[in-house]
Amino acid sequence: EIVMTQSPVTLSVSPGERATLSCRASESVSSKLAWYHQKPGQAPSLLIFGASTRATGVPARFSGSGSGTDFTLTISSLQSEDFAVYYCQQYDKWPLTFGGGTKVEIQ
Amino acid sequence: QVQLVESGGGVVQPGRSLRLSCAASGFTFGDYGMHWVRQAPGQGLEWVAVISYGGGDTYYADSVRGRFAISRDNPTNRLYLHMDSLRPDDTAVYYCAKDRVPYYFDSADYWGQGTLVTVSS
Repeated sequence: EIVMTQSPVTLSVSPGERATLSCRASESVSSKLAWYHQKPGQAPSLLIFGASTRATGVPARFSGSGSGTDFTLTISSLQSEDFAVYYCQQYDKWPLTFGGGTKVEIQ
Repeated sequence: QVQLVESGGGVVQPGRSLRLSCAASGFTFGDYGMHWVRQAPGQGLEWVAVISYGGGDTYYADSVRGRFAISRDNPTNRLYLHMDSLRPDDTAVYYCAKDRVPYYFDSADYWGQGTLVTVSS
């Protein structure tokens, strides 16, 4: 199976600052990469699909980039509601797999 | 609006079986693939299984293949996960999720709130 590795595990950021999260696949997944975030006690929510396309209603401060094996999620100016855990997922090959997550916390 | 409501979770002994259900509304259920994803307490997300829009194609995580079976009933807008030979490491919140694109497998754009399964003697 394709192993998805996210870094860092924890990211401490001040509100208004930029956050950059990384996701690496153990083999190419083309652009079939999604990002989700999950707040405590809530279900995950889709942010980005196709590596770089924002899902409906997702603010423009979220952007995704990359293809093949290396991907990045950037949050340009962190808002209070953005402090959460972020997961990447590949949907190119079975079984689908998630990364271990990056927790974005308030510095 | 899209709604997914899971049910059927609870406490079950190791080796026993359990069936989860997911009631869908707010979209044309029979046009979309559906997923089950689980999350062990304090852990990350693990994809479990998917079923195609018509039910003819299913795929599973290695950890559940041969023990779990995903199915659907399009006329009643319900998704199921039948779980056999349950183990303590199957303890998790189980989410059902809708595929983003009709007639295809893609990311999951809507999720239910989950149902907790606890496997313990």
